[in-house]
Amino acid sequence: SYELTQPPSVSVSLGQMARITCSGEALPKKYAYWYQQKPGQFPVLVIYKDSERPSGIPERFSGSSSGTIVTLTISGVQAEDEADYYCLSADSSGTSYVFGTGTKVTVL
Amino acid sequence: QVQLQESGPGLVKPSETLSLTCAVSGYSISSGYYWGWIRQPPGKGLEWIGSIYHSGSTYYNPSLKSRVTISVDTSKNQFSLKLSSVTAADTAVYYCARHVPEMVAATIEGGWFDPWGQGTLVTVSS
Repeated sequence: SYELTQPPSVSVSLGQMARITCSGEALPKKYAYWYQQKPGQFPVLVIYKDSERPSGIPERFSGSSSGTIVTLTISGVQAEDEADYYCLSADSSGTSYVFGTGTKVTVL
Repeated sequence: QVQLQESGPGLVKPSETLSLTCAVSGYSISSGYYWGWIRQPPGKGLEWIGSIYHSGSTYYNPSLKSRVTISVDTSKNQFSLKLSSVTAADTAVYYCARHVPEMVAATIEGGWFDPWGQGTLVTVSS
């Protein structure tokens, strides 16, 4: 079955840059999406179609793609950015969806 | 503004069928989009369960396909999930969400989920 792999955790100092990667074989041909989930809350979309930012999402969130790896970057990390982050994409069929393994971002 | 709300029993016995409903407000399901279910076991990651179009067309996670049925009731503007033969491994927070498909020449090539419901915890235990 198709898998999307993320690092389990990323630690970043307040105001610095955090980068979260997501790797998957189909990513060169499929868009990736990123979600932020805080404890006890539902996931919130922060990036769609690799690099687009939904309205209301701060500009410090950005996305990029290179081959089989997509990256979520948080520039100037704030304390409220501490959360779990998940990537989402489809397998090669386009009709089966997989979430990444998730990355816990800790703000130091 | 689209809003989704899950409802259903919070406790299901092993081997029985889990049944949940998602009520949609602020948008008519018949107008378009797909509608999906996602779950999250306590302390674990997200898993897509399946999605349905207002016409009834469905896509299921291959790992759950044999036990899952998703249906839609456009008259009530809601869609439902049934998961049969449940075990403790099915204990999770179950979310419903609008599924926005990526369409390329009338073919689905991917998509995303937004917005989401608040989620409902279903525990499988005797």
